[in-house]
Amino acid sequence: DAGVIQSPRHEVTEMGQEVTLRCKPISGHDYLFWYRQTMMRGLELLIYFNNNVPIDDSGMPEDRFSAKMPNASFSTLKIQPSEPRDSAVYFCASTKFPVGELFFGEGSRLTVL
Amino acid sequence: QQQVKQSPQSLIVQKGGISIINCAYENTAFDYFPWYQQFPGKGPALLIAIRPDVSEKKEGRFTISFNKSAKQFSLHIMDSQPGDSATYFCVGSRSNDYKLSFGAGTTVTVRA
Repeated sequence: DAGVIQSPRHEVTEMGQEVTLRCKPISGHDYLFWYRQTMMRGLELLIYFNNNVPIDDSGMPEDRFSAKMPNASFSTLKIQPSEPRDSAVYFCASTKFPVGELFFGEGSRLTVL
Repeated sequence: QQQVKQSPQSLIVQKGGISIINCAYENTAFDYFPWYQQFPGKGPALLIAIRPDVSEKKEGRFTISFNKSAKQFSLHIMDSQPGDSATYFCVGSRSNDYKLSFGAGTTVTVRA
């Protein structure tokens, strides 16, 4: 079975540009999570969805960040405008069961110059 | 604030040795404690998990020890192998909450 698929794997952009990260969760998983990983702050939960509905977005750092899940097989995380401090690895993860195993994608490494 | 504190930040062990990672948690409502393993360039993956009604859980060379009264738990990697070189995260969570509180991570390097 295919795991969580994220794209792009690497993104280099300039400050002020819009960045869109994409995620395809594992089929049948009702919960989708976006995490950010940095050396300074470790793994941070940004937002999570249940059945395509955003449940908790309290981790989204600023209004520059937005996330959508238009259907069960696709989600986006958008940063507009991007800033150098947004440089990080962004992970998407999905799960089917309550308090179960989270399945992470391989991440999107974002560098904002 | 970080609800799960993890130490050490990194450790180096010889092949065949024991790696020990310690974690302490603040939130007494946590009732599920998974460990995730992350290799460079990959996402974290579940390694082993424990609930506080059990004091120890073993899966192969990996053992979790849990001390509920002290609010501490640890991961022991027995007979460490070079393939175990990775970053390990301890996690605290509640059954009715999908928010996982990750520790800061421990980078384990196993030297052949």
